[in-house]
Amino acid sequence: EAGVVQSPRYKIIEKKQPVAFWCNPISGHNTLYWYLQNLGQGPELLIRYENEEAVDDSQLPKDRFSAERLKGVDSTLKIQPAELGDSAVYLCASSRRRGQGNEQFFGPGTRLTVL
Amino acid sequence: SQQGEEDPQALSIQEGENATMNCSYKTSINNLQWYRQNSGRGLVHLILIRSNEREKHSGRLRVTLDTSKKSSSLLITASRAADTASYFCATLTQGGSEKLVFGKGMKLTVNP
Repeated sequence: EAGVVQSPRYKIIEKKQPVAFWCNPISGHNTLYWYLQNLGQGPELLIRYENEEAVDDSQLPKDRFSAERLKGVDSTLKIQPAELGDSAVYLCASSRRRGQGNEQFFGPGTRLTVL
Repeated sequence: SQQGEEDPQALSIQEGENATMNCSYKTSINNLQWYRQNSGRGLVHLILIRSNEREKHSGRLRVTLDTSKKSSSLLITASRAADTASYFCATLTQGGSEKLVFGKGMKLTVNP
């Protein structure tokens, strides 16, 4: 079974530039998550999708962050404009069943550096 | 916000020794999960224990949960160099919007 795929793995941009991250979850996994992980910290949930519906985006800074999951499969997370404090690892995860009570499978993450 | 807090924050042991990591949390939970993260394989789910369970085993892993003390422990027996990683506990909070909240993690180093 192929794992969660994320791209790019690394991204370096200047502040105020836009950036986008892409995630392809494990086939058949209806639930998809985006997390942010700062250095020395655990992941923090940004948004959770059940199929194409965003069911929890309370932690997503909506002034600059947006996400979409068209057709309930791949997902894109965008930041526009990026700020210095956005430097972090952005993780995508998926799970087979609805809700967060189940095992989540994580992708390798995208390490974002904002200069 | 992070609920779980792992203790110790760092642990260094010799191969073959046992490693015990503790996690404390603040609010009522549905379940508690342990994850491992290393540079080679990213974040990997290790084991899940439900709020009505007290102990669970998986291979060399043993997890206990004490809901009265709001704490859990992860025991890795006969550690290997490959167990070197950061370990996170994550709690699924009860009620309202289900949310899996990760702790800050702890760094385990197993010396060969």
